[in-house]
Amino acid sequence: ETGVTQTPRHLVMGMTNKKSLKCEQHLGHNAMYWYKQSAKKPLELMFVYSLEERVENNSVPSRFSPECPNSSHLFLHLHTLQPEDSALYLCASSREGQGAYNEQFFGPGTRLTVL
Amino acid sequence: GQNIDQPTEMTATEGAIVQINCTYQTSGFNGLFWYQQHAGEAPTFLSYNVLDGLEEKGRFSSFLSRSKGYSYLLLKELQMKDSASYLCAVMDSNYQLIWGAGTKLIIKP
Repeated sequence: ETGVTQTPRHLVMGMTNKKSLKCEQHLGHNAMYWYKQSAKKPLELMFVYSLEERVENNSVPSRFSPECPNSSHLFLHLHTLQPEDSALYLCASSREGQGAYNEQFFGPGTRLTVL
Repeated sequence: GQNIDQPTEMTATEGAIVQINCTYQTSGFNGLFWYQQHAGEAPTFLSYNVLDGLEEKGRFSSFLSRSKGYSYLLLKELQMKDSASYLCAVMDSNYQLIWGAGTKLIIKP
């Protein structure tokens, strides 16, 4: 247990569906992250929130929409996804969004399959 | 562009020693991380290096040479549970983590 939980763990959705991924951290951290992990590829940073404000958006398609209502919760809203969006989506948190030492704690991920 | 290189897969024998290399080219440097990720699980933090040299932590050690853009993770007395992917990540000048694709380590009895 890393102190970061994600639900659901597995999700299968059609291209026209709308779904949301949820992440919760119990570590008192101020920064939260969404990553996409595809097989044999580096982790792709999607979004960063620091103190509930979005500080990073790495050219992610608009069909992915993040929401951070407070420093403990992070959502990723999904709409009209494509099959190539199938991947493991990881949430992480850290004490601060920036700093010389920024160990990130990861959740177990949501395995997303888009049909 | 920014780039992190590490071998895709390595195989080692239980009880032996293995060294996983990582080379990087990034915009600035604010430290290098190693993470372990078992299949289907979250990556977990192993080590952080910001100064040149060797950091030892039990069976695992991590080395950094900033002038060469090079790091390695050394695993001693390998156990079957060490079978996992090992991810190298560098924090660039914007304090953003740049990740390698990971090295899948297979331990054989």
